[in-house]
This record gives sequence, structure tokens and C-alpha cells, in this order.
Amino acid sequence: RKEVEQDPGPFNVPEGATVAFNCTYSNSASQSFFWYRQDCRKEPKLLMSVYSSGNEDGRFTAQLNRASQYISLLIRDSKLSDSATYLCVVIKGGGATNKLIFGTGTLLAVQP
Amino acid sequence: NAGVMQNPRHLVRRRGQEARLRCSPMKGHSHVYWYRQLPEEGLKFMVYLQKENIIDESGMPKERFSAEFPKEGPSILRIQQVVRGDSAAYFCASSPQGEKLFFGSGTQLSVL
Repeated sequence: RKEVEQDPGPFNVPEGATVAFNCTYSNSASQSFFWYRQDCRKEPKLLMSVYSSGNEDGRFTAQLNRASQYISLLIRDSKLSDSATYLCVVIKGGGATNKLIFGTGTLLAVQP
Repeated sequence: NAGVMQNPRHLVRRRGQEARLRCSPMKGHSHVYWYRQLPEEGLKFMVYLQKENIIDESGMPKERFSAEFPKEGPSILRIQQVVRGDSAAYFCASSPQGEKLFFGSGTQLSVL
């Protein structure tokens, strides 16, 4: 089993739709979680951190479910510019030995 | 504050040559990560370094690949005797404390 798993998609949605991605992780000792966004042939960029209590940033909501070992990203009112690959990142270890594990990404295509 | 700088952006090598990829982290960042990404695939962790120390090289092939992050100067990822399978995008990321990563634009290595 992969340490971090994501549905590769693609998710094809119309503008204005709400779309959600899940990401599961295998190591229950994982400590920190993030969502990154990667546009085609570009570097990944941090989208948001994921906190236990859930957090929201504009149209984006991230949640963590430790019991079931998954994190989620919800995008409301999708825009064309949201089209990208969304990567979940799980950190295991601690202090000086953090290891960031990336999922393979979920491709989102927002259609006009 | 300049971002993470990687050079060259594109590197072409013939089989058997050496490839040197450079990464200058953001100012004040002492953690450097290298990732490799093949077309249509996710980011694969290679190595995690702090100044003058390799913290985790579990993702790096045992032969032909090496990485360093000297006290002065950029981090270097070195690939000796390159083969066609080494063709990929190599991303460097830096972090102030080993969690949130800031990525460079990557080096696209093409082996002829």
C-alpha cells in the first residue's frame, strides 16, 4: 500500500460546481498535512495547511480525519483557473528528520 | 527575498555524461529537499539535506546519484554516467523548519 494515495482523476466539472478530493495516508503517526497545487510543467505551490479542526480559505476548505486517516479538499464555485493537479502532502517524523511524502495528485479540469 | 533558484532550467546530456543540478534555497532556509518527477507521474522524494548534512537519502538511487549542501553555496544534485531513464524534471524545495516547502522552477533533464 502506498504511503499516500489519491484518486488521480481527472475530475471534469463545470464552472461553478463544487468538487471534493480525498487523500488517504497509511502512517497513523503522521503529523502534518498540506495541499499543494501544481500547474502543468510548473513547480508545486502551497495551497493550504490542513488542521485537525478544519480550515477554510475563501472557496477552499480542508479537513482532516485522523480516525479514518484521510484529508480532504473542497472547492466551491469552481473557476477555470482552478484547473490544475492537487497534491496532498503528509509529513512523518519530527524535528530534524521530517519527511514529506507527496501523493501522486488529482487532476481537476474545470470546463466553461 | 528571492525565491528558490534552480539552474539550469533545461539541461541536455548524452548518455554517460555527468549532470549537475544547482539549487539556491530561499534566504534563511536551512532545509533543502530534492524531488524527481517523471511525465504524468507524481513527485518522488529523493533526498533531504540540512547545511553540510544529509538527513534522509532513502529516495535516492544508491549508484550514480549524490547530493550535497555545503556550508557556503548552493545545494548540488549530481548524476554521474546519465542514462535515458534519468530524464525527468528535478525540483528542489527549501523550508525554514522542514515543513512548508517552497519550490524552485525545476530543472528539466533530457538525456539523449
